[in-house]
Amino acid sequence: AQSVTQPDIHITVSEGASLELRCNYSYGATPYLFWYVQSPGQGLQLLLKYFSGDTLVQGIKGFEAEFKRSQSSFNLRKPSVHWSDAAEYFCAVGDNTDKLIFGTGTRLQVFP
Amino acid sequence: NAGVMQNPRHLVRRRGQEARLRCSPMKGHSHVYWYRQLPEEGLKFMVYLQKENIIDESGMPKERFSAEFPKEGPSILRIQQVVRGDSAAYFCASSFRDIPGEQYFGPGTRLTVT
Repeated sequence: AQSVTQPDIHITVSEGASLELRCNYSYGATPYLFWYVQSPGQGLQLLLKYFSGDTLVQGIKGFEAEFKRSQSSFNLRKPSVHWSDAAEYFCAVGDNTDKLIFGTGTRLQVFP
Repeated sequence: NAGVMQNPRHLVRRRGQEARLRCSPMKGHSHVYWYRQLPEEGLKFMVYLQKENIIDESGMPKERFSAEFPKEGPSILRIQQVVRGDSAAYFCASSFRDIPGEQYFGPGTRLTVT
């Protein structure tokens, strides 16, 4: 069965520091992979997605993620975090059907 | 171009009452998905609908929950005889094709059962 693991429940970084959020997935074939961000009381916004091709994908707001098949990972990175990046981040996997399988999320806190 | 709209944003129901959650997809989108987010958890898929058809309801509880997406009007998620455990945020997403991730999410309806 497909699954997504986000091992870090809560991460705190200083503004301007680099960021990496971890995501590991379990899926038999090449998955579709996504990162979403959720601000408090809001819906989810798609940051970036990987379907095929270049394993380093660029997203909105300066985020990028790298697909590593050998490690079953799709970690999200940002070189310099802004205070407005404080939010909850969800990694998700999809196949060629319909549903998305989400991880439990990582809450990012940014200190000035 | 308006995004996915959900109403109400907040809904309070007493145990045993019915809850109706509405979702209007983005213009031109004919695919609707419902997800539920329990406190401190990620989103869990519930159901996938196209106009007038339920395509996949594998995530729906077998009892008390139903969903529809009529030819005209919004998609409705209906929960009968609500219980405390139904308290959650319910998110709707829409897309114009059935490729995962091309889904656009609404702001959610936060259901509280007292």
